[in-house]
Amino acid sequence: QVQLQESGPGLVKPSQTLSLTCTVSGGSISSGDYYWSWIRQPAGKGLEWIGRIYSSGSTNYNPSLKSRVTISVDTSKNQFSLNLSSVTAADTAVYFCASQPKRYYGFDYWGQGTLVAVSS
Amino acid sequence: QSVLTQPPSVSAAPGQKVTISCSGNSSNIGNNYVSWYQQLPGTAPKLLIYDNNKRPSGIPDRFSGSKSGTSATLGITGLQTGDEADYYCGTWDSSLSVVFGGGTKLTVL
Repeated sequence: QVQLQESGPGLVKPSQTLSLTCTVSGGSISSGDYYWSWIRQPAGKGLEWIGRIYSSGSTNYNPSLKSRVTISVDTSKNQFSLNLSSVTAADTAVYFCASQPKRYYGFDYWGQGTLVAVSS
Repeated sequence: QSVLTQPPSVSAAPGQKVTISCSGNSSNIGNNYVSWYQQLPGTAPKLLIYDNNKRPSGIPDRFSGSKSGTSATLGITGLQTGDEADYYCGTWDSSLSVVFGGGTKLTVL
């Protein structure tokens, strides 16, 4: 059973870069069986997909965030990471990492989520 | 404004059936698989349906999914109070990104 756990600062200042890491256990990122995504949810609002990475390092990003987002993978640590630059209060949200199997469409495993607030 | 359109809320009595719609277009639902998620308060979403109509192991057959053209539907039968949650649809879009619906709050009266 794959488990995901987000980690990173809970408070980021405006204009700075938000950095989070997702640690995967119970499965190998480098297996090539999954895409690894970041998804966020502002309080009281819906889900917004941020982007994903494959074990090869290939990425896809939400066009609305593409200019500010970088997702990277560290197969040696079985982790993938999110960097979101030039943050504003609108980036305050719960950030989830999630896995999507290559063999079908759906996010089957999710982290518990981590709240990141953008405030001075 | 979400790319996929869901009703903000639906309600039904315990034991009854409810359906939740998800409307898109040919760039997303029309040409891609749809998945559905249940989100209980304060928790991460849980996959209910993948590839339009398939249930992961452990999801009861009270939950079903279907797709027709550019719309998809989640059905829940034998409603229970524990089904009260927010429900989201999601799919791939030709913009090379995942898109979600705005979510539907289910109330079991």
